[in-house]
Amino acid sequence: RKEVEQDPGPFNVPEGATVAFNCTYSNSASQSFFWYRQDCRKEPKLLMSVYSSGNEDGRFTAQLNRASQYISLLIRDSKLSDSATYLCGLGGGSARQLTFGSGTQLTVLP
Amino acid sequence: GAGVSQSPSNKVTEKGKDVELRCDPISGHTALYWYRQRLGQGLEFLIYFQGNSAPDKSGLPSDRFSAERTGESVSTLTIQRTQQEDSAVYLCASSANGGIQGQGYEQYFGPGTRLTVT
Repeated sequence: RKEVEQDPGPFNVPEGATVAFNCTYSNSASQSFFWYRQDCRKEPKLLMSVYSSGNEDGRFTAQLNRASQYISLLIRDSKLSDSATYLCGLGGGSARQLTFGSGTQLTVLP
Repeated sequence: GAGVSQSPSNKVTEKGKDVELRCDPISGHTALYWYRQRLGQGLEFLIYFQGNSAPDKSGLPSDRFSAERTGESVSTLTIQRTQQEDSAVYLCASSANGGIQGQGYEQYFGPGTRLTVT
């Protein structure tokens, strides 16, 4: 089993739709959690950190479920510009580096 | 402020040649990371530097790969005797403080170096 798993998609949704992605992890010692957005042939850009209490930034909501060992990202009222690959990154335990999932591809259709 | 910068942006080299990739982290960031991303795949950790501590080289795929960092500034990743399977985007990231065990800090990525080995 991979340490971090994401549904690769693609998720094709119409503009205005709500879409959610999950990222499951196997290392229970993980302490920090992040969502990154990566556009085609670009570097990953930090979208948001994921806190135990969950956090919201505009149309984006991230949540952490430690019991079931997954994090989620919810995008409301999706825009064409949200089309990208969304990567989850986990850190902590004995490792300083982040371990990334392979990403979930989202395409928002007009 | 200025983000992470990397050079060159693209590098095409012949199999067997050595290449050197450069990364300039965000000023004041003590932690620096190198990752590799093959086409259509996730990020693969290579090496981590934190201040003047010994680097974590656990992700380097072979002894052809090495990296250096002077203090908290520029880092160079060197690949010797390049092979076609080394073709990938090499991404550098920095964070404000990745040194406290059990905690990770937000990492900010540079634009990457796209390496093609022919």
